[in-house]
Amino acid sequence: AQSVTQPDIHITVSEGASLELRCNYSYGATPYLFWYVQSPGQGLQLLLKYFSGDTLVQGIKGFEAEFKRSQSSFNLRKPSVHWSDAAEYFCAVVTTNAGGTSYGKLTFGQGTILTVHP
Amino acid sequence: GAVVSQHPSRVICKSGTSVKIECRSLDFQATTMFWYRQFPKQSLMLMATSNEGSKATYEQGVEKDKFLINHASLTLSTLTVTSAHPEDSSFYICSASGVPGAKNIQYFGAGTRLSVL
Repeated sequence: AQSVTQPDIHITVSEGASLELRCNYSYGATPYLFWYVQSPGQGLQLLLKYFSGDTLVQGIKGFEAEFKRSQSSFNLRKPSVHWSDAAEYFCAVVTTNAGGTSYGKLTFGQGTILTVHP
Repeated sequence: GAVVSQHPSRVICKSGTSVKIECRSLDFQATTMFWYRQFPKQSLMLMATSNEGSKATYEQGVEKDKFLINHASLTLSTLTVTSAHPEDSSFYICSASGVPGAKNIQYFGAGTRLSVL
């Protein structure tokens, strides 16, 4: 079964500093990977996704992520963090069968809470 | 585009009553809708998946008689928490997929905070 691990429960950075949030997945085939962001008491907003092709994907709000098959990772990065980026970030993978057909279900990591200091 | 509206955003009810939560896709036809539950400081737990016009598929351990899901149209799904008890208090979030060319992407509602007294 697929699984997603976000090793860091809580990360604190200063405004303007760079950011990297880690995500590792366990999956046999090529995964469909996502990063979502959740502000307190809100739903999830899609930041970016990887399905195939270029392993460096660009998302909204200046975020990017790189798919590394050899490391089973899909880390999220931002060169300069803004105070408004403080939120919880979830990495997720879509469940598919052996043939790559999507069941459509998402498996989420545990989430990483980002705190931004002024 | 791809907006999902969830209503109400917050509901407080007495123990033993039923509560209905609505999830609407505003600008696309949602072939599949998903309902999640999220406990404080935890990740999202999938409760069930529903396809328009068919019965919902519940995840293991989720009581289908407790959490009634109806997906009567391509833009509306409802979750009814029947005979709610304090342990049902939680944050419930819906999502929808079906945007042409993006069937594997789920778009989320803003969530419903349920408090059962």
